[in-house]
Amino acid sequence: QIQLVQSGAEVQKPGASVKVSCKASGYTLTDYDVSWVRQAPGQGLEWMGWLSAYKGNTYYVQQFQGRVTMTTDTSTNTAYMELRSLTSDDTAVYYCARFIQKWIASQRDYFYYMDVWGKGTAVTVSS
Amino acid sequence: EIVLTQSPDTLSLSPGERATLSCRASQIISSTYLTWYQQKPGQAPRLLIYSASSRATGIPDRFSGSGSGTDFTLTISRLEPEDFAVYYCQQFGSSPGYTFGQGTKLEI
Repeated sequence: QIQLVQSGAEVQKPGASVKVSCKASGYTLTDYDVSWVRQAPGQGLEWMGWLSAYKGNTYYVQQFQGRVTMTTDTSTNTAYMELRSLTSDDTAVYYCARFIQKWIASQRDYFYYMDVWGKGTAVTVSS
Repeated sequence: EIVLTQSPDTLSLSPGERATLSCRASQIISSTYLTWYQQKPGQAPRLLIYSASSRATGIPDRFSGSGSGTDFTLTISRLEPEDFAVYYCQQFGSSPGYTFGQGTKLEI
């Protein structure tokens, strides 16, 4: 069964860092890209960025630049997202997802979607 | 940054009725760059529609997507009780900021 299993809930103090893991099962992580999305309590979805698990290239949304690092460990088929200098605004559920980017020859363009999602990791930032 | 505006914020309907959800982009995007997700309370989002009109694997045919340019629509032809949820559109027109709409809550 293809799934992404995320690490458990975290409570961190302001200024600290958090590292969330996302283990793929049923498929090889490096065969696809991985994206990270977060959702603050009662709010909508917020795209954070993605990484090419095969190439190791990362693409972060500007607001997270300098504070986030997305990595993979191919030996354990696991992706990681580390967020530093936490504030209360970072309190959210963090999701990893398998990110598909596929070329459509007939349209000479790509389509994109996230088809497999982890259940989410709740991160609470509180003093 | 491409901004997606969904309307309405909340849609109140009954099972068996037809639901029409809108997603408007702040600039023209290719229809292949527009995706829809469903999210129920306490759950991760679920892929419904990609490339504006292609249903994901296992999605019932009562769900359909359409649109082009800046205006996109998700239609649920006959609402089932399990369809009451929040729906998000997402665009992939401007890397790396693949923004989501603010969501439409479909309630009974």
